[in-house]
Amino acid sequence: KAGVTQTPRYLIKTRGQQVTLSCSPISGHRSVSWYQQTPGQGLQFLFEYFSETQRNKGNFPGRFSGRQFSNSRSEMNVSTLELGDSALYLCASSLAGASYNEQFFGPGTRLTVL
Amino acid sequence: AQTVTQSQPEMSVQEAETVTLSCTYDTSESDYYLFWYKQPPSRQMILVIRQEAYKQQNATENRFSVNFQKAAKSFSLKISDSQLGDAAMYFCAYRIYFGNEKLTFGTGTRLTIIP
Repeated sequence: KAGVTQTPRYLIKTRGQQVTLSCSPISGHRSVSWYQQTPGQGLQFLFEYFSETQRNKGNFPGRFSGRQFSNSRSEMNVSTLELGDSALYLCASSLAGASYNEQFFGPGTRLTVL
Repeated sequence: AQTVTQSQPEMSVQEAETVTLSCTYDTSESDYYLFWYKQPPSRQMILVIRQEAYKQQNATENRFSVNFQKAAKSFSLKISDSQLGDAAMYFCAYRIYFGNEKLTFGTGTRLTIIP
């Protein structure tokens, strides 16, 4: 079974631009969560999508948004990029059933904002 | 709000020796999960071990075991017989028992294995 994939793996943008990152979960997984990882702030939760609905959201400005499609693939969008948005963006997927199901992480997308 | 604290930014251990990584957390919930994740350099985050808060027995996975002290809100990871492949960032994480998949992470401990 293929793991969680994220595209692109590396991205360079300039301030003010917008960017879209993609996450393809493991087949059958219905939940996709996004995290931002920086040296200064560590790993911070952005949002979780479950069955195409945002189920939880972290403390990020409205410039960060996401969505999930019917095949569970998810995208996150960052508009009006700032230098501080440079980070490794990780997504994780899980079955998210009634009992415990492990979350599996993708390799991440490294975003550099110049 | 839940918080997770790892007070050891860096640790090192001699190969084949034992090392313990510390983690404390704060929550008002009674049912939750605690995790240790490993992030090797330039590689994917993987789950090392999981503990359910309602279980008094400490979780064990091969060379990895935890010391879970619910009243003290402490959750340490012990790695026995350390191997070179154990070198990585280790993150302690918390998740509520049911309702969403949000993980709250600590700041991580970078573990170096000395040959």
